[in-house]
Amino acid sequence: GQNIDQPTEMTATEGAIVQINCTYQTSGFNGLFWYQQHAGEAPTFLSYNVLDGLEEKGRFSSFLSRSKGYSYLLLKELQMKDSASYLCAAHNSGYSTLTFGKGTMLLVSP
Amino acid sequence: DAGVIQSPRHEVTEMGQEVTLRCKPISGHNSLFWYRQTMMRGLELLIYFNNNVPIDDSGMPEDRFSAKMPNASFSTLKIQPSEPRDSAVYFCASSKGGLSFNQPQHFGDGTRLSIL
Repeated sequence: GQNIDQPTEMTATEGAIVQINCTYQTSGFNGLFWYQQHAGEAPTFLSYNVLDGLEEKGRFSSFLSRSKGYSYLLLKELQMKDSASYLCAAHNSGYSTLTFGKGTMLLVSP
Repeated sequence: DAGVIQSPRHEVTEMGQEVTLRCKPISGHNSLFWYRQTMMRGLELLIYFNNNVPIDDSGMPEDRFSAKMPNASFSTLKIQPSEPRDSAVYFCASSKGGLSFNQPQHFGDGTRLSIL
């Protein structure tokens, strides 16, 4: 079976750093995607990790540990516009589909 | 560049009616996905097409749901008859690549479906 866990919600202040964790238990794991979804909008792609380690992309970084079934998304220099839901998704090699977590709602306050 | 285009954006109908949702993937993308999103269950994959062929429909909830992809630029998701519990946001997404791809999926704006 597939199981993706991430916190339901988090709060942080503008300019701070926040880390959103994701643990997964899937069969045929290929890699880990992170998507951002603003309220009422479509999910948009943020990052993809297939190898262990940290991938940095501007203010956003994503980390993967395949042996621990663990990933995190790190957001630096938070801005109000970063308030959104962040979805972790495991890429399954069998049918090459994604299994999404329920998302972490991040609220950034002034 | 045009992204994934879905129609309608909103649909309100009474239970028992047939509902048809439409999707035009990004040109050149050969994988297409239909998802359903609710607060309770999050984003769930309903069906996945590759090169217009249904590959995995294990997420389709029941026989009331059907999906087709008659050509590379068009897909439909049909619910007949519709029920109130089908109320959700339905997303279509597309990506490049075949069965071993790792390309990101690009999502349409979704259809907000309300069944009264």
